[in-house]
Amino acid sequence: NAGVTQTPKFQVLKTGQSMTLQCAQDMNHEYMSWYRQDPGMGLRLIHYSVGAGITDQGEVPNGYNVSRSTTEDFPLRLLSAAPSQTSVYFCASTPGQASNQPQHFGDGTRLSIL
Amino acid sequence: SQKIEQNSEALNIQEGKTATLTCNYTNYSPAYLQWYRQDPGRGPVFLLLIRENEKEKRKERLKVTFDTTLKQSLFHITASQPADSATYLCALDEDNYGQNFVFGPGTRLSVLP
Repeated sequence: NAGVTQTPKFQVLKTGQSMTLQCAQDMNHEYMSWYRQDPGMGLRLIHYSVGAGITDQGEVPNGYNVSRSTTEDFPLRLLSAAPSQTSVYFCASTPGQASNQPQHFGDGTRLSIL
Repeated sequence: SQKIEQNSEALNIQEGKTATLTCNYTNYSPAYLQWYRQDPGRGPVFLLLIRENEKEKRKERLKVTFDTTLKQSLFHITASQPADSATYLCALDEDNYGQNFVFGPGTRLSVLP
């Protein structure tokens, strides 16, 4: 199994451009989430999904959209990139919605907005 | 405000010694607390989970304690090795619904040979 796969690994955008960060998992996990990681601030939850067709906002959702049309895929869309969105983005999944479920992370997308 | 703090941004210790990392939280009442390891350029990897009614959990050279009165978890690595050098993150479920997970900023551990 590949686990959680994120693409691309690196991306540079200009302010105002849009793009989609891809996340796919092959473990049949119901819960998927997106985080951003900034120096000194830890991982912050952007959006999450408890199953196909269901998404909700996390701590820092502004400027990001998500959808969950299949169990496997959970793309994150930046509609109009801003320099404040320069960060490392991680996708994670767990088998279900429970506090004791370990999260499986991808290796991240490093995004720079100029 | 609600937040998680980890004792220091960086910790250097000598090989063979015990590393102790601290995770403190405020205004949460987590049923579980999790610890992750993150290597440079990689995503976090789950290490251990401890329940609120467990005082201690062990896995090989790793030991985690959880004190809900102090709102603190300690993470110990005994007989540390240079390969243990990484950033260690603690995490909890904000409302115990299994949806909103909150992470600490991490402690970067360097084990010196």
